[in-house]
Order: sequence, then C-alpha cells, then structure tokens
Amino acid sequence: EAQVTQNPRYLITVTGKKLTVTCSQNMNHEYMSWYRQDPGLGLRQIYYSMNVEVTDKGDVPEGYKVSRKEKRNFPLILESPSPNQTSLYFCASSPRRQMNTEAFFGQGTRLTVV
Amino acid sequence: AQSVTQLDSHVSVSEGTPVLLRCNYSSSYSPSLFWYVQHPNKGLQLLLKYTSAATLVKGINGFEAEFKKSETSFHLTKPSAHMSDAAEYFCVVRLIAGNMLTFGGGTRLMVKP
Repeated sequence: EAQVTQNPRYLITVTGKKLTVTCSQNMNHEYMSWYRQDPGLGLRQIYYSMNVEVTDKGDVPEGYKVSRKEKRNFPLILESPSPNQTSLYFCASSPRRQMNTEAFFGQGTRLTVV
Repeated sequence: AQSVTQLDSHVSVSEGTPVLLRCNYSSSYSPSLFWYVQHPNKGLQLLLKYTSAATLVKGINGFEAEFKKSETSFHLTKPSAHMSDAAEYFCVVRLIAGNMLTFGGGTRLMVKP
C-alpha cells in the first residue's frame, strides 16, 4: 500500500531534550516536506526537500533541522525543543514538480513539549 | 506571493442540508487548487483538485468545487450533508513553478442531526 509513515504518532518530551520524528514514503517520490498544524493557522511548511541531499527552509524553520540522505526518508530533528514547538506535525510527499500533483500526507505526530 | 483565505473558521449545518465552504486565493500565477479533509485524529485526505481541465471539479463523497478566476475563489459544496462529513477542511494552493503548498486556516464543519 502506498503510504507516508510517521513515527511516533504521539510524543511528550521535556524542554531541551533532543528528539527526532521519522518520516518514510514508499512511493519513490522526489519531494518531501514537513508541516506543523496549529489551531486557526492551517498547516505551515517547516522544511522541504526536492531530492536527496537537497533541502530548503519553508515558512517556519526556526528550531528545526532536517536531512535527506535517502530518497524515502526525511526525518525532522528538534535539537532543543521548546514549549512553543508543541504542535501537530505532518510529513508529506509528492512525485514531481507538476501542477496537478497532490501531496500525500502521513498520519501526523502530536508533540507536546513541557 | 500567494495566500489562501478560508472565510469561515466554523460552519454548522443540519444533516441533509447543503454545505458551502468558502475559499479565496491570491496568486501571481495560475494556481493549482486542492481541498483536503481531516477527520478527528486522522491525517489529511485529498477531496478534489483543480488542474485547469475543467472549472467544476467533482471529488469524493459527493463534494464538488468550482474554480472562478474572476472572483479568485474555489468554494467547496455538497448538496446534502451527512453526519460523517463532520471534519476540518483545508483549501490549498500550489504555485505553478514550485512544490510549495499554501494552506488556508481551515474550516471546521459541524453536522447536526
């Protein structure tokens, strides 16, 4: 089954403790991205990647890192999480730069930083 | 720059009555437009997409949307609401030359019995 898989689904952590949220897709998509969802703000892009070893900042990159060493994986790293990073995070992938191509989303990771 | 405005943060309808979720966009280029739905504690599912082939787009679960360039709108409609339609809906714009998706703030649809 074609899918985007995120882990973990739920995470509670303390301020300053490094964490990684994994994202993997099995559709051989070139594009992957991370979003955070906050009430009333919709989804905002954190980082995106056009291909292996190519990443770039989205609208809200502060406090996050990403890497794209393999085509299928795009982990999101929080080196020193803070409470304002408490949010619902989504990973997405899409096949290539075409106007009519929708993005496929993971199930989300609900992160709470205390 | 592009932006998406969903005009209502909450919409409440009775089961069996029509649904209208409004979306306006601004973009310097011809956009692609999408509607996604998010059910509670679920990921985002594509409802429909506009890709310039036809201005009236039909999606899943009886939803449809009409692209009106003169009004820069892409409103989502359904003739008859069902209880299972209760969810949050996002209007999304993609620029012609990139992969950036811009999301509206979302509209929470409530369906009363």
